[in-house]
Amino acid sequence: KAGVTQTPRYLIKTRGQQVTLSCSPISGHRSVSWYQQTPGQGLQFLFEYFSETQRNKGNFPGRFSGRQFSNSRSEMNVSTLELGDSALYLCASNSRGSNTGELFFGEGSRLTVL
Amino acid sequence: QQPVQSPQAVILREGEDAVINCSSSKALYSVHWYRQKHGEAPVFLMILLKGGEQKGHEKISASFNEKKQQSSLYLTASQLSYSGTYFCGTEISPQAAGNKLTFGGGTRVLVKP
Repeated sequence: KAGVTQTPRYLIKTRGQQVTLSCSPISGHRSVSWYQQTPGQGLQFLFEYFSETQRNKGNFPGRFSGRQFSNSRSEMNVSTLELGDSALYLCASNSRGSNTGELFFGEGSRLTVL
Repeated sequence: QQPVQSPQAVILREGEDAVINCSSSKALYSVHWYRQKHGEAPVFLMILLKGGEQKGHEKISASFNEKKQQSSLYLTASQLSYSGTYFCGTEISPQAAGNKLTFGGGTRVLVKP
């Protein structure tokens, strides 16, 4: 069974640009959540999608957005990049429709903003 | 609010034991534990639900003290493979819909031969 796949794995952008990250969950998993990981703030919840609907949102500015497609693949977008957006962005999928069960994380997309 | 993990780091010799604590200022519904090795994705260890249940994964076990709103992760007879950063993730209510964890800052564990 294939795991959670995130692309791209590494990318470098400059301030003001935008970026789109992609996540393919484990087959059959309908919940996809996104986390930002930085050395200073640790793992912070961005948002979660289930059956193409955003169910939960963390405390991030509106520059951070996401969506989920009918095949459960998800994308997140960050517009007007700032230096502080440099981080590892992790996607996690879950087979459960309610309550947080085991999260299966991808290896992440490491974003560097110059 | 982010749970507080302690200690921030610990160095062990193979075979030694360690305890990692995760404390919250809010009443918790569940505590989740993950381990992340350098350059890898976090990997699920266990979930503890309100009720003080203790669980185990290999020689790693955990408990949940509702009165203190604290969970403890016990690394027993540590192995080299236990090295990594351990995160606790918390939920404050049984959410009818949604998956959302608030993670602690992590505890770095290094097990030496």
